[in-house]
Amino acid sequence: RKEVEQDPGPFNVPEGATVAFNCTYSNSASQSFFWYRQDCRKEPKLLMSVYSSGNEDGRFTAQLNRASQYISLLIRDSKLSDSATYLCVVNTRRNAGNMLTFGGGTRLMVKP
Amino acid sequence: GAVVSQHPSWVICKSGTSVKIECRSLDFQATTMFWYRQFPKQSLMLMATSNEGSKATYEQGVEKDKFLINHASLTLSTLTVTSAHPEDSSFYICSARGTSSGNTIYFGEGSWLTVV
Repeated sequence: RKEVEQDPGPFNVPEGATVAFNCTYSNSASQSFFWYRQDCRKEPKLLMSVYSSGNEDGRFTAQLNRASQYISLLIRDSKLSDSATYLCVVNTRRNAGNMLTFGGGTRLMVKP
Repeated sequence: GAVVSQHPSWVICKSGTSVKIECRSLDFQATTMFWYRQFPKQSLMLMATSNEGSKATYEQGVEKDKFLINHASLTLSTLTVTSAHPEDSSFYICSARGTSSGNTIYFGEGSWLTVV
């Protein structure tokens, strides 16, 4: 079983739609959680951190459920520019220090 | 804000040659650097973690003699792909974290390697 699992998609949605992505992680010792966005042939960029209390940034809302080891990302009023791959990322402490483990990514395509 | 610069962005090399990729932290001291590899349509896979002045810690399945990592200073880490083969063609990305960046990890722009 992969340490961080995501539905690869693609999610094809019209502009203005609301879309939700889910992610599960297997390591209960994981400490912090993030959503990254990666455009084609570019490096990942931090979208937002994820907290149990929920985190909202404009049209984006992220939520963590530690009991279920489940992370979500909700995008409201989708824009064409939201088309990208969204990576669920988990930070786990190891002997060598903290490390990020990436999910396989969920591809979003927003169409006019 | 903190910036991590990676060079070269694109490189094409012949099979059997070696290629060096540089990762620099421009305005903070990177005590830890991470090297990832990403094949098309796949996620980033951690190759190794390097702490300044120490030997890199490689992930299972990554050949340390093939992927040489040097982190001799607090602002520079290098990844050398030795005797590259076409199956090494991939997107290589570094990321860095420093004492001044807290838990924030910054990514380089990535390097596309094509071995022909």
